Amino acid sequence: EAEVAQSPRYKITEKSQAVAFWCDPISGHATLYWYRQILGQGPELLVQFQDESVVDDSQLPKDRFSAERLKGVDSTLKIQPAELGDSAMYLCASTYTPTGAYWEQYFGPGTRLTVT
Amino acid sequence: RKEVEQDPGPFNVPEGATVAFNCTYSNSASQSFFWYRQDCRKEPKLLMSVYSSGNEDGRFTAQLNRASQYISLLIRDSKLSDSATYLCVVESSGGSYIPTFGRGTSLIVHP
Repeated sequence: EAEVAQSPRYKITEKSQAVAFWCDPISGHATLYWYRQILGQGPELLVQFQDESVVDDSQLPKDRFSAERLKGVDSTLKIQPAELGDSAMYLCASTYTPTGAYWEQYFGPGTRLTVT
Repeated sequence: RKEVEQDPGPFNVPEGATVAFNCTYSNSASQSFFWYRQDCRKEPKLLMSVYSSGNEDGRFTAQLNRASQYISLLIRDSKLSDSATYLCVVESSGGSYIPTFGRGTSLIVHP
């Protein structure tokens, strides 16, 4: 069964350092999402791509976060500099281009970030 | 007001009980609604889409009330394995397929 791949699975970094996360969606999925999930809360959408284009990044803290999906396949999310409040699970999800009312997001296992 | 609101619980029920969760949304133009299940420290997985006419999948029933802007999930004959967090997802931009998650409702089923 095809899966969304993410790496690393765990990352510990010091405050003010740079950190990057990688996601490889299921083959053929044109839509890719990055979420941040703080313990006890639901996933918060950071950025949504359709192929290589950004559909929505209204919740992305652009002063420190950046995301790219240059060839419309895999994607990288970067934080620079990391802050203590960035400690969370970073989830990547993908789907076929949504049409109609119903579609399924497939999530990767996530990257758990701890900022010290 | 948050776009998607859920009672975080936890709902603590015995095996065999029936339990229902509600989720309210603020954008009346929303077109797509889903319930996802998330086990502890795992990624979310789709439980079921919510159709306008309501839908049932085994012990699970989902309903949509557009007039009152809420969706519901009913679980009958609860199993220990149903213990998880149930996340409500609403497409928040009226056709642009941008999903918004609720904070989730925690369910604990005990023997």
